[in-house]
Amino acid sequence: GGIITQTPKFLIGQEGQKLTLKCQQNFNHDTMYWYRQDSGKGLRLIYYSITENDLQKGDLSEGYDASREKKSSFSLTVTSAQKNEMAVFLCASRWLGGSYEQYFGPGTRLTVL
Amino acid sequence: QQQVRQSPQSLTVWEGETAILNCSYEDSTFDYFPWYRLFPGESPALLIAIRPVSNKKEDGRFTIFFNKREKKLSLHITDSQPGDSATYFCAASVSGGSNYKLTFGKGTLLTVTP
Repeated sequence: GGIITQTPKFLIGQEGQKLTLKCQQNFNHDTMYWYRQDSGKGLRLIYYSITENDLQKGDLSEGYDASREKKSSFSLTVTSAQKNEMAVFLCASRWLGGSYEQYFGPGTRLTVL
Repeated sequence: QQQVRQSPQSLTVWEGETAILNCSYEDSTFDYFPWYRLFPGESPALLIAIRPVSNKKEDGRFTIFFNKREKKLSLHITDSQPGDSATYFCAASVSGGSNYKLTFGKGTLLTVTP
């Protein structure tokens, strides 16, 4: 078994602030993902990284940067937080081959004042 | 254009009834369809998945019915229990090759009333 850890669990920021969310996994998975979950909008893909030195934009990449520091860690930066923004950011990972199942972390809940 | 659509947005059933959650998709190249379940305060987790080689996938009380021609699928939860109350996400992907993305629907919030 394994676990995905996301830090922080809650993040409160100011409008225009640059904010960084971190994700660590010990599954030894190759591929990692960042999703944004908004009420009524499902899960939308922000960035993903197929392997350690790869970075791919998802459908919602504008306003975000990402960094795959090493195989086990994947960070997401909100480049300029938007006022009244509230969402949950979910990190996920999966093996490159075999099962397509994605395993999700507990999420970081963002509130922008 | 929304690639994966789910209906209804919310559904309430009585304990013991069958809950039917619907999903449709646009891209005919999608060939892997997982359903993820999200309990409040927890992380989404894979519940059941189907590939179009079959029209039905069953796992206990959970069954996916798949209609490739109409590009529709549905998740049936028989003998619904209050513990099944959660948000259910239908997703779709092209398996194999270099595509590693899942496209999620907006989810169906299921409430099972005792």
